[in-house]
Amino acid sequence: QQQVKQSPQSLIVQKGGISIINCAYENTAFDYFPWYQQFPGKGPALLIAIRPDVSEKKEGRFTISFNKSAKQFSLHIMDSQPGDSATYFCAASMRNTGNQFYFGTGTSLTVIP
Amino acid sequence: GAVVSQHPSWVICKSGTSVKIECRSLDFQATTMFWYRQFPKQSLMLMATSNEGSKATYEQGVEKDKFLINHASLTLSTLTVTSAHPEDSSFYICSATGTSGLYEQYFGPGTRLTVT
Repeated sequence: QQQVKQSPQSLIVQKGGISIINCAYENTAFDYFPWYQQFPGKGPALLIAIRPDVSEKKEGRFTISFNKSAKQFSLHIMDSQPGDSATYFCAASMRNTGNQFYFGTGTSLTVIP
Repeated sequence: GAVVSQHPSWVICKSGTSVKIECRSLDFQATTMFWYRQFPKQSLMLMATSNEGSKATYEQGVEKDKFLINHASLTLSTLTVTSAHPEDSSFYICSATGTSGLYEQYFGPGTRLTVT
């Protein structure tokens, strides 16, 4: 059973546009929601993360929006650049399970110059 | 800070041989390390969770006798793929959680294993 559902599977955005990736979860015990960026042949790198006590977190061009009642969270990449082309994974975890992460299925983002 | 390394970055081995992959936390003590497997264009699949000094906890469907995990110190965990077969070819990634970072997992760069 997929604990975290991610969409879309792939996304093509023009340079300068906004990239939006969505994730949904079922388990209300999750208390940490990170986003990872992965380039081909590399390990995932933490991009930005949020906890359920806030509805939005912004770091540079990256913003997480969190809707606790809907059990959804999304990543917004403003002013998307070709260098942002990568695969993005959302994840969820709860501290009392030893910090095990439940990953979404990933979104392949391509930013066209 | 919070750097995790893996060695080797890639390895090619013959079917039937064993391969060891090392995962090291370079600038923090890792109380828990995780091993993942990733197939092309797919998500990360958790294989096992290991805590320093104790036996690893394997996910359902992962053969513990085939994928031997040792977490001997707070900075080193190893994954040994025993009697490797071509279907074991994959990208193996480790991650670590530090003593202070109860939420964050820091990922290594991954190891590409090809079994011929």
